[in-house]
Amino acid sequence: SQQGEEDPQALSIQEGENATMNCSYKTSINNLQWYRQNSGRGLVHLILIRSNEREKHSGRLRVTLDTSKKSSSLLITASRAADTASYFCATGGNNRLAFGKGNQVVVIP
Amino acid sequence: DAGVIQSPRHEVTEMGQEVTLRCKPISGHDYLFWYRQTMMRGLELLIYFNNNVPIDDSGMPEDRFSAKMPNASFSTLKIQPSEPRDSAVYFCASSPSYSNQPQHFGDGTRLSIL
Repeated sequence: SQQGEEDPQALSIQEGENATMNCSYKTSINNLQWYRQNSGRGLVHLILIRSNEREKHSGRLRVTLDTSKKSSSLLITASRAADTASYFCATGGNNRLAFGKGNQVVVIP
Repeated sequence: DAGVIQSPRHEVTEMGQEVTLRCKPISGHDYLFWYRQTMMRGLELLIYFNNNVPIDDSGMPEDRFSAKMPNASFSTLKIQPSEPRDSAVYFCASSPSYSNQPQHFGDGTRLSIL
């Protein structure tokens, strides 16, 4: 079954720096979604990129999708302390949405 | 819109007791999902409903777990009897569709079974 899997390394960066996370998956997809989870809260949807799209922007977020490599990346530019969270990718397709295990990002003020 | 509402936010109970978790989805969303999150296993889909009908319960770990959706605005997840290994954060989410639109999550119920 398809499963989003993030680069498992936790990321610690200084405020103002960029943060990049990667996600790989195994099967064909209709779309790929990124979610953020703050400590003690539910997941919040950030951005959805369809399988026929290669790049998408939303504010300080930039998502790329390479279907030939079955991978995606999430870039957060000019990070802020409030960006400290876990980030999950989820692959959608064949009537199923599968989440990865998350990637923790700590932004140091 | 108020978003997905879950109750209680925290539950601590003793092994063997019945636990009932509650969820109110976003009005108009046809799909409702129950997830369990642990450090070891990440986010696991337990069951999902479409138009109040359970569609896939293959993620429900054991017969001790059951879920109902009596109407479009309410769902419950019940564990009876509870065991310490059921300790986790349980999330409810709703969406207009299954995989092609964002899912909206509640803030979860943190369950501790002693």
